[in-house]
Amino acid sequence: NAGVTQTPKFRILKIGQSMTLQCTQDMNHNYMYWYRQDPGMGLKLIYYSVGAGITDKGEVPNGYNVSRSTTEDFPLRLELAAPSQTSVYFCASSPYQRVLTSYEQYFGPGTRLTVT
Amino acid sequence: KNEVEQSPQNLTAQEEEFITINCSYSVGISALHWLQQHPGGGIVSLFMLSSGKKKHGRLIATINIQEKHSSLHITASHPRDSAVYICAALYLTGNQFYFGTGTSLTVIP
Repeated sequence: NAGVTQTPKFRILKIGQSMTLQCTQDMNHNYMYWYRQDPGMGLKLIYYSVGAGITDKGEVPNGYNVSRSTTEDFPLRLELAAPSQTSVYFCASSPYQRVLTSYEQYFGPGTRLTVT
Repeated sequence: KNEVEQSPQNLTAQEEEFITINCSYSVGISALHWLQQHPGGGIVSLFMLSSGKKKHGRLIATINIQEKHSSLHITASHPRDSAVYICAALYLTGNQFYFGTGTSLTVIP
């Protein structure tokens, strides 16, 4: 199993450009998440999904969109990139949230995005 | 407010020292997650617990529900333990984890 994979690893965007961060998991997990990590701050949840076709906002959703058409894929779309979106983005997945062990999250390697 | 606080922010230890990292949360939780972030940036899960104590090798995690506090202990620390340790709380009222800012640990040979 590859686990959770993310592409690209690094990206530089100009202000106003758009891009999609890709996330794929091969563990058949129901739950998937997008986080951003800023220096000196804890991980902040952008969006999450509890299954194909179902998504919901996290703490910091503004400026982002997601979709979940399959169990495996959970892309994050940035429209009209702004310098405030410069961050490291992590995708994660977990099986489901019914028993304690199933809350455990598996993280991708991250995407370092710079908007200038 | 769903806050998670960690202490200390930074910690430097000599090899073989016993290390404790603390995590406090504000209200009732369903689960408490300890994670390790390597210097290269990758994040791995260490423990998920809702009560008591868990042990894996030289790592021990404990939680005190009444005091809303969890600790991560590392026995016989080693330079390869150098990393950022993060705790995250899943509150009873929600379905998302709230993360602390992390404790940066450096173990010196």
